[in-house]
Order: sequence, then structure tokens, then C-alpha cells
Amino acid sequence: AQKVTQAQTEISVVEKEDVTLDCVYETRDTTYYLFWYKQPPSGELVFLIRRNSFDEQNEISGRYSWNFQKSTSSFNFTITASQVVDSAVYFCALSSGNQFYFGTGTSLTVIP
Amino acid sequence: SQTIHQWPATLVQPVGSPLSLECTVEGTSNPNLYWYRQAAGRGLQLLFYSVGIGQISSEVPQNLSASRPQDRQFILSSKKLLLSDSGFYLCAWSGPRLLAGGYTFGSGTRLTVV
Repeated sequence: AQKVTQAQTEISVVEKEDVTLDCVYETRDTTYYLFWYKQPPSGELVFLIRRNSFDEQNEISGRYSWNFQKSTSSFNFTITASQVVDSAVYFCALSSGNQFYFGTGTSLTVIP
Repeated sequence: SQTIHQWPATLVQPVGSPLSLECTVEGTSNPNLYWYRQAAGRGLQLLFYSVGIGQISSEVPQNLSASRPQDRQFILSSKKLLLSDSGFYLCAWSGPRLLAGGYTFGSGTRLTVV
């Protein structure tokens, strides 16, 4: 079965701290894609990153970085030097077999 | 570039009233279209998806329905709203290969049924 688990429901950090959002997925497919979306208080879901199952190279984009490890079926997201504007709900998602599966989201609050 | 429009942004409707939410996509042809609902628990639930005009697949049986009268138009409807229909509704589109492309979401409609 396909499944995405975000065990952290809510996280609070003080501004400038680093924070890692965990994502664990399950799939039997060998070809799949993983995504992270950000949902700010306005509600719109904003695409952050996509990784395919054959590319385990970590990626860094500014203060954001992603660690994809097939051995542990994880695709974790780290925000370095967090800012108040990072406060949002973050969703991890799996695309497999032409279906899309979302985690339940992690609500991040960055305290000034 | 492709854009997706969803309206209205907020809506307050009495129980038993009808509903019509509209979503349109620009800059692409033959998109796959989706309606998601996000209830208070933040989880995203797929309601309907469409791979072409008049082709609607329902994921969750309920009093909602969807229609796709034009290639880039997707409408979510209800004849009689229930309190449990309250939530945040998101329209999304993808290319034919959802696997690689992922979704692009609209800005959402916050529906409150009173």
C-alpha cells in the first residue's frame, strides 16, 4: 500500500533555529516521486520540491534542504535559520502509480 | 505560463442550500483536474478527479458532485449542503503524467456551512 507519514503534527521553534520536518513513505513501486508543499495561513498550497526515486542526491535551496534516503524510505526537510515567514503547514506527498498521496501535514510555528 | 483560478475565496452558506465552486486553468490543454477538501484536521482528501471533458471519477461518496463542461473548467457542486461540508476546498491541475509533475493548486475556497 502507498502511504505517507508525517509523525510530527506540530512543531514550534524560536526564530533562527534550525528545524527538520520528517517524512516517511511506503510504496512498492520502483519509480515514484516525492514532493514537499507549503501551506501558509492564506491556504494555498505552494510547491517546494520534487525528487524522483532514482535520485538520492540531497538538495539545497537557500535555507531549505532535503535529505532523501531510500534505505529508510524517508524524505526529510530541513529549514536552516528559521524565520517567522516559515510558519505554515508543510505537506509531504508521494506520487506513485498515477496516484497522489499526501501526509497529514506538520504545522510549523516560528516564534520571533 | 499556466495559471489556475479558483473562486470564490470564501463562502458562507446555510444548511440545505446549493453550492457551486468553479475552477479554471489557463495556459495548458487537456489537464487532469482535481478537487481536494481539507477539513479541520488538515488532512487533504481527494474528492474528484477528471482526465477529460465529461469524465469524472469520485473518490469519496457524498452529497457533492463534480462536472467538467469544458476542457479547462472544473465545477464542484452540491444540491443541499450539510454542516459536515464545511472545509477548505482546493482545485488542482496536473499534466497527463501526474507521476512526474505533481500538482499545481488553486488558492482555495473556504466554505462555512451554517
